[in-house]
Amino acid sequence: EPEVTQTPSHQVTQMGQEVILRCVPISNHLYFYWYRQILGQKVEFLVSFYNNEISEKSEIFDDQFSVERPDGSNFTLKIRSTKLEDSAMYFCASYREVNSYNEQFFGPGTRLTVL
Amino acid sequence: GENVEQHPSTLSVQEGDSAVIKCTYSDSASNYFPWYKQELGKRPQLIIDIRSNVGEKKDQRIAVTLNKTAKHFSLHITETQPEDSAVYFCAASPGGSYIPTFGRGTSLIVHP
Repeated sequence: EPEVTQTPSHQVTQMGQEVILRCVPISNHLYFYWYRQILGQKVEFLVSFYNNEISEKSEIFDDQFSVERPDGSNFTLKIRSTKLEDSAMYFCASYREVNSYNEQFFGPGTRLTVL
Repeated sequence: GENVEQHPSTLSVQEGDSAVIKCTYSDSASNYFPWYKQELGKRPQLIIDIRSNVGEKKDQRIAVTLNKTAKHFSLHITETQPEDSAVYFCAASPGGSYIPTFGRGTSLIVHP
């Protein structure tokens, strides 16, 4: 069964550094998402991406964040200058509307630790 | 924007008992309500979902009910097993663009 994949599984960085989190969505999916989950808290929507552009973004997704689909298969989340509070699990997700049901598939996540 | 409240935050049951998790939402435009199960350190996985034109949906031991008038929906797990232990998240999403708002999660503990 196709899966969403993410790399790396764990990223440790120093405050102020740039990080790029990578995702490979399921190949025939059309909508892509990034979510954040701070340890022990709920999943929070960051951004959605469709047709090579951002379709929605939350208040969390400020100018420090950007997304890109550089080559038709990868979907990346960049944080330009990381802060301590960016430490969280970041999930990528994708979905293709199938028979009008919106089933969304999550990747395994990247745990980002900012020191 | 949408606001999803979920209760309880922790639910402890004995194996074989039923478990019920309740969520309310605020935006009447929401019409898709998925439930996710997240085991420790793992990704959220969709276990069941319901759309606003359906009042109830069942899949083996799990069922979801929706009351659109009251803006609440619930997850029911019957004959619970230890492997049901996990955090369960409800979510609500408007039609068209799928932008779910998640509840805060319920930690379900099933004691053998």
